[in-house]
Formats: sequence, structure tokens, C-alpha cells
Amino acid sequence: KAGVTQTPRYLIKTRGQQVTLSCSPISGHRSVSWYQQTPGQGLQFLFEYFSETQRNKGNFPGRFSGRQFSNSRSEMNVSTLELGDSALYLCASSFNGHLGETQYFGPGTRLLVL
Amino acid sequence: ILNVEQSPQSLHVQEGDSTNFTCSFPSSNFYALHWYRWETAKSPEALFVMTLNGDEKKKGRISATLNTKEGYSYLYIKGSQPEDSATYLCASGGGADGLTFGKGTHLIIQP
Repeated sequence: KAGVTQTPRYLIKTRGQQVTLSCSPISGHRSVSWYQQTPGQGLQFLFEYFSETQRNKGNFPGRFSGRQFSNSRSEMNVSTLELGDSALYLCASSFNGHLGETQYFGPGTRLLVL
Repeated sequence: ILNVEQSPQSLHVQEGDSTNFTCSFPSSNFYALHWYRWETAKSPEALFVMTLNGDEKKKGRISATLNTKEGYSYLYIKGSQPEDSATYLCASGGGADGLTFGKGTHLIIQP
């Protein structure tokens, strides 16, 4: 089975722009979670989607949004980019999104905001 | 403990030696404890998920234990090899609530 894939792998944007990142989960997985990694904060939970519904969102401003499609692929969007949004964005998928299920991570998208 | 904490932050170990490190997590409302291994430029690799107090899991030379009552987990590596060099992350929770990660233990195996 192919693993979790993320596109693009690298991205450079300027302040004020918006960006969309894509995540394709492992085939058959219905839950997709997104995380942000910055040097100071470590990995932080952004949001989780299951069956096209956002079930939970971490402590991030409304500029961060996402969606999930019927094939479980997910996108996250960041509007009005700020310098502090420069980070590695990881997505992870799991079969049913149950507690205790392993989450499998993709390689991430590294975003640089200038 | 309010957050997931890992210690030490970094560790240098001689090849062939065994080592261990700690993950502390809130013991109230505990659901699951996850361990990941993360090598530079790669995806975090799932090692273990543990849910029950007293759980012990093993994968090759790596093993982990769980104490949910006192809120800690240990990861052990026996006979360290250079390929074990990575950052080891633990995380509590999961599912719709997402994982709450510690900041990791950066392990360097010296030949």
C-alpha cells in the first residue's frame, strides 16, 4: 500500500498571500489529521477530518482552514500568510479515527513565508 | 503534569550500548500513548501505540512500557546501532482530538 503523500513538498510564499496544501491518505483510511511543526513549539494539532466533517480543531486562528473530499483526500488552507506561519505541515491518516489507532504520517510540506 | 514532556532533550550513546528515555503525560483522561521515530527528511514512523496500564510492546531491539496511573512511559533501545539515530517522539491522545506531542528526545549513536 502506498503511504501518505503530501504535495507540494516545498513552498515559498510572501506575507499576505494564501496557500493550499494537499494530503492523500493511505487507501481505505477515512481520518486525516493535520499538524504544524515549528522549532519552538514542536508538533501541534491543527484539525481532524473524518467522512468530510471537521471533528476537532486545535488552537489556531481562523486563517487556518481545511476540508476533506469524498475520497478522503484533504486540503488545508492558510489565508493572509504571516511570517510565523513558516513551518513544516504534516498530515496523518488513520483507518477510522478512533482513539488508540495508529496515525501514519506523510513527509510534510515545508512552507516558507517571506 | 499538564503537557506531554520528554527527557532527556538529547542523548549521545556509544554504538552497542543500551539506552532509555522517558515520556510523561497527564494521567487523567488517558486514552492512548504513541511512540514515533523521526529521522531527518523522512516521515515520522510509528513504533507503538499503548492503551493499557502495564502494557509492554517490543519491535526488534526497541521496547516500551506504560504506566497510566503515574503517567509515564519508557522507551528502551538495546544494543544501539548508528541507524537508531533519530528523534523519538511520544504523543498522548489521538482520534478526533489529535495527538499531543512532546518535544522529543534527539538520539545520536556514536560509532
